[in-house]
Amino acid sequence: GAVVSQHPSRVICKSGTSVKIECRSLDFQATTMFWYRQFPKQSLMLMATSNEGSKATYEQGVEKDKFLINHASLTLSTLTVTSAHPEDSSFYICSGEGSNEKLFFGSGTQLSVL
Amino acid sequence: GENVEQHPSTLSVQEGDSAVIKCTYSDSASNYFPWYKQELGKGPQLIIDIRSNVGEKKDQRIAVTLNKTAKHFSLHITETQPEDSAVYFCAASIGAGGFKTIFGAGTRLFVKA
Repeated sequence: GAVVSQHPSRVICKSGTSVKIECRSLDFQATTMFWYRQFPKQSLMLMATSNEGSKATYEQGVEKDKFLINHASLTLSTLTVTSAHPEDSSFYICSGEGSNEKLFFGSGTQLSVL
Repeated sequence: GENVEQHPSTLSVQEGDSAVIKCTYSDSASNYFPWYKQELGKGPQLIIDIRSNVGEKKDQRIAVTLNKTAKHFSLHITETQPEDSAVYFCAASIGAGGFKTIFGAGTRLFVKA
């Protein structure tokens, strides 16, 4: 199957700092990538849809100025959590849409904000 | 909009037994039904999927069945092994992939050796 690489896998930061998470499709071109947030023992919550070369589409309730998404190429999308606070602590996951509507997920990033 | 319900939330089986996870969906327009396996601290991994023009699909020890009339689909794992222990998510999608993919709440499967 297609491979999506997500980095870093874990990050601990101080409150007020910004954190960037990278998501790369290694062996396919992902015109569309998705960013999810997952709380412990819960399902995936779609945050935003990222399309190469255009602005991301955010789900209702997700602050676009808080969660900056950039999709500058067909293989790279980044999520920047700006001015992070403890309530932003969560597991963030990206996915890329491959052929035939299949989604391939990154390995996730555990963000802990102190 | 689409709603996907998944049961059970937790499932414990003995190694070698079968495990069945069931999902129902609400939107009859959904036509793509993937299943994902998520291990602790990792992202979900696609394990099998089925489209609405097929009633059943099998891949080694894993099979998925779809009943469009009743709007439910199930994951069957036979001869379970300890490494099958994980959280499994069903999902339903209308047409184009992730944007309209709705996930179930997940089933935590424990396979006891």
